[in-house]
Amino acid sequence: EAGVVQSPRYKIIEKKQPVAFWCNPISGHNTLYWYRQNLGQGPELLIRYENEEAVDDSQLPKDRFSAERLKGVDSTLKIQPAELGDSAVYLCASSLSGGAREQYFGPGTRLTVT
Amino acid sequence: EDQVTQSPEALRLQEGESSSLNCSYTVSGLRGLFWYRQDPGKGPEFLFTLYSAGEEKEKERLKATLTKKESFLHITAPKPEDSATYLCAVNQAGTALIFGKGTTLSVSS
Repeated sequence: EAGVVQSPRYKIIEKKQPVAFWCNPISGHNTLYWYRQNLGQGPELLIRYENEEAVDDSQLPKDRFSAERLKGVDSTLKIQPAELGDSAVYLCASSLSGGAREQYFGPGTRLTVT
Repeated sequence: EDQVTQSPEALRLQEGESSSLNCSYTVSGLRGLFWYRQDPGKGPEFLFTLYSAGEEKEKERLKATLTKKESFLHITAPKPEDSATYLCAVNQAGTALIFGKGTTLSVSS
């Protein structure tokens, strides 16, 4: 069974430029998460989707970050414009819906903003 | 305020030297406690879910236990391939996971 797929794996951009990350979850997983992980820290939630609906985006910096999951399957996370402090690993995870389900993570996208 | 605290931050063991990692939590309404393993440059890999105090789960050389305030990940006779960062996370009332900072384990032969 294929795991969570993310692309690109690495991205280097200059500050003020836009960037987008793509995620395809495990088949059948209706819940999708975007996390950000800074060096030496655990992942922190940015946004959670149940199918197409964003049910928790309280930690998403909405002035520069946006996300979509139009058909309830794959998802895109965008940053525009990027700032130096956005350098981190962006992780996508998916799970079955309902209750405290285990989440399965993709390999992440390492973003470097110069 | 930290809701999930892991200790120690780093642990060095000799091959075969058993030890334990600690995860203490202060959340109310715990729905589940999760252990993940993360290798450098990779996403976290799911290991265990514990739902109630007294529960234990095992996988190869790893055993996870849970009390009302903390969880332990016991590593028995570790091998160099067990070297990784181990992350603990809690699920509070159906929200997304809240992670600790992790314990980086190094096992030398």
